[in-house]
Amino acid sequence: SAVISQKPSRDICQRGTSLTIQCQVDSQVTMMFWYRQQPGQSLTLIATANQGSEATYESGFVIDKFPISRPNLTFSTLTVSNMSPEDSSIYLCSVDVNEQFFGPGTRLTVL
Amino acid sequence: GENVEQHPSTLSVQEGDSAVIKCTYSDSASNYFPWYKQELGKRPQLIIDIRSNVGEKKDQRIAVTLNKTAKHFSLHITETQPEDSAVYFCAAEGNKLVFGAGTILRVKS
Repeated sequence: SAVISQKPSRDICQRGTSLTIQCQVDSQVTMMFWYRQQPGQSLTLIATANQGSEATYESGFVIDKFPISRPNLTFSTLTVSNMSPEDSSIYLCSVDVNEQFFGPGTRLTVL
Repeated sequence: GENVEQHPSTLSVQEGDSAVIKCTYSDSASNYFPWYKQELGKRPQLIIDIRSNVGEKKDQRIAVTLNKTAKHFSLHITETQPEDSAVYFCAAEGNKLVFGAGTILRVKS
C-alpha cells in the first residue's frame, strides 16, 4: 500500500497567479501521476512524473501551464500557472503500488 | 487512445436490491480493469479489480465480470446498503489508466 499526502488541501487564488501543489509518498515509487477532477466530473490524467527525467504530458496539457518537478522518488510538485477560473478543480496525485492509490486532493478555486 | 464509456450516469435502488454498472472500452490492449468508489469530498478508493486473464471476481457483496471479446466489464453490488451511496468509476489500463465518466449510486432506505 501507499500513504500519500498533499499540500495544500485547498486554496482560493486570483486569476493570473500560480499555485504549486506538493505530493509526498511514504515509499519510493518510480512513477507519480497527476490527475485533474473538475466539479462533478471524472478523473483526467494530466501527466506522469518520473524521477530524473521530464514529465510526460497527456494530450491537452502542456508543460508551460502545468510544470512538474520530481526531485526524488517520494516527492513531486505540480504547478498550475497563470490561472483562470477554468482551472478550478481538484488536483490529485497518485502512485501505482500493485494498485492505484490517490492522495487526498487539492481543491483549487480561481476567482 | 483508450476510451471508456460508463452507464448509467445515475442509479437509484432500494436498500437490499442489487445494482449493476456497465463499462465498455475501446483498446484491446487494455489488461487491467479497476473499479473505484468516491464518497463526497473524499479521494477515489479501489474496491475491486480484474485482470484480462480472469472472467469474474467476487469480494463479499461486490463482483466484477469481464468480457474481453465484447470489451465490456460490469460491477455488481448485491444487498445494497445506504453506505454504498457514492460515485463509482470504472477504469481500463493499457499503457495508462483511463476512467469512465462515473455513476452516482443512491441507495434509498
